[in-house]
Amino acid sequence: KAGVTQTPRYLIKTRGQQVTLSCSPISGHRSVSWYQQTPGQGLQFLFEYFSETQRNKGNFPGRFSGRQFSNSRSEMNVSTLELGDSALYLCASSWGEAYNEQFFGPGTRLTVL
Amino acid sequence: DQQVKQNSPSLSVQEGRISILNCDYTNSMFDYFLWYKKYPAEGPTFLISISSIKDKNEDGRFTVFLNKSAKHLSLHIVPSQPGDSAVYFCAGNQGAQKLVFGQGTRLTINP
Repeated sequence: KAGVTQTPRYLIKTRGQQVTLSCSPISGHRSVSWYQQTPGQGLQFLFEYFSETQRNKGNFPGRFSGRQFSNSRSEMNVSTLELGDSALYLCASSWGEAYNEQFFGPGTRLTVL
Repeated sequence: DQQVKQNSPSLSVQEGRISILNCDYTNSMFDYFLWYKKYPAEGPTFLISISSIKDKNEDGRFTVFLNKSAKHLSLHIVPSQPGDSAVYFCAGNQGAQKLVFGQGTRLTINP
């Protein structure tokens, strides 16, 4: 059974640009969550999608947005990139009904110059 | 506001001995607690979880203990193996698949 996949694995952008990251969940999983990992703030929750609807959102500015497609694949977008957005972006998938363990992908390493 | 705290940034244990990783939390609304293991350049790998209504859950070499009155949980690894060397994160589940993570503890198993 294939795990969670994320593309691209590495990305370099400059300040002011925008970026789109993609996540394909484990087959059958309907929930996709996104997290940001930085050395200073650790792993922080961005948002979670279930059946194409955002169910939960963390404390990030509106520049961070996401969506989920009917096949459960998800994308997150960051507009007007800032240097502080440099981080490892992780997505995790789960069945989504009530509590289920989340399984993480390898992450996308974003560097903003 | 750090809702989940791992106060030990690092821990070093001899191979074959017990590793005990600790975690404190402040949010009483967490319904599940989870432990993840992370290697560099990889996503976290799920290890074990425990419901907030339980006080112990065991899976092979891994046991998680939950003390709700103290708002404390711990992960025991017995016996510790070199492959266990990694960063360990505890997390509280705050409904709808929202995990709140601690800062992590780097575990090193010495041969």
